[in-house]
Amino acid sequence: GENVEQHPSTLSVQEGDSAVIKCTYSDSASNYFPWYKQELGKGPQLIIDIRSNVGEKKDQRIAVTLNKTAKHFSLHITETQPEDSAVYFCASKGGIKAAGNKLTFGGGTRVLVKP
Amino acid sequence: NAGVTQTPKFRVLKTGQSMTLLCAQDMNHEYMYWYRQDPGMGLRLIHYSVGEGTTAKGEVPDGYNVSRLKKQNFLLGLESAAPSQTSVYFCASTNTLGDRGVRETQYFGPGTRLLVL
Repeated sequence: GENVEQHPSTLSVQEGDSAVIKCTYSDSASNYFPWYKQELGKGPQLIIDIRSNVGEKKDQRIAVTLNKTAKHFSLHITETQPEDSAVYFCASKGGIKAAGNKLTFGGGTRVLVKP
Repeated sequence: NAGVTQTPKFRVLKTGQSMTLLCAQDMNHEYMYWYRQDPGMGLRLIHYSVGEGTTAKGEVPDGYNVSRLKKQNFLLGLESAAPSQTSVYFCASTNTLGDRGVRETQYFGPGTRLLVL
């Protein structure tokens, strides 16, 4: 089955700096890559996603890049703010043959933005 | 819309006890999922359902059972709880693949924290 590796597991940045989280996946048929943010005591919430036919997507301070050849994708947060402190998860969804629209999640990255 | 709701929010069980976790969604989603979240291990799929009356095993199904008698509800049961089942449980739902103009993303509930002593 699909395997998703996420790095780093923890990331500490100064407010205003950029943060980058990287994920690799194993199934070349994977075609959908969402990123989730989980605040303390809450469920994960989608912040951005990208499909395999797109190389980059941006939404204000957040951007995601996808390299299908290398099978990796990254989350970029610019001008970080204290409210960006959270755990971030990457995920991938297999291709058409993947049953149930299932997502495979990375292990998560705890981001701490220091004022 | 309330989205995805889960009850209870927190529960303490003794080894061997049973319980049922309830997930409800009001978005008319076909697909529903149960995950467990353990420190450093991300989210792991326990069971899922692709529609009313259907269930299927995920990555870590042992020790759990599920039922989807109504489209909006997905129940997760622990017949004989073990300390290894101490975790945070999340339910999620999504639309079916191919729905035009509908995002594939999964929407998560707030979680149930379970402690098995």
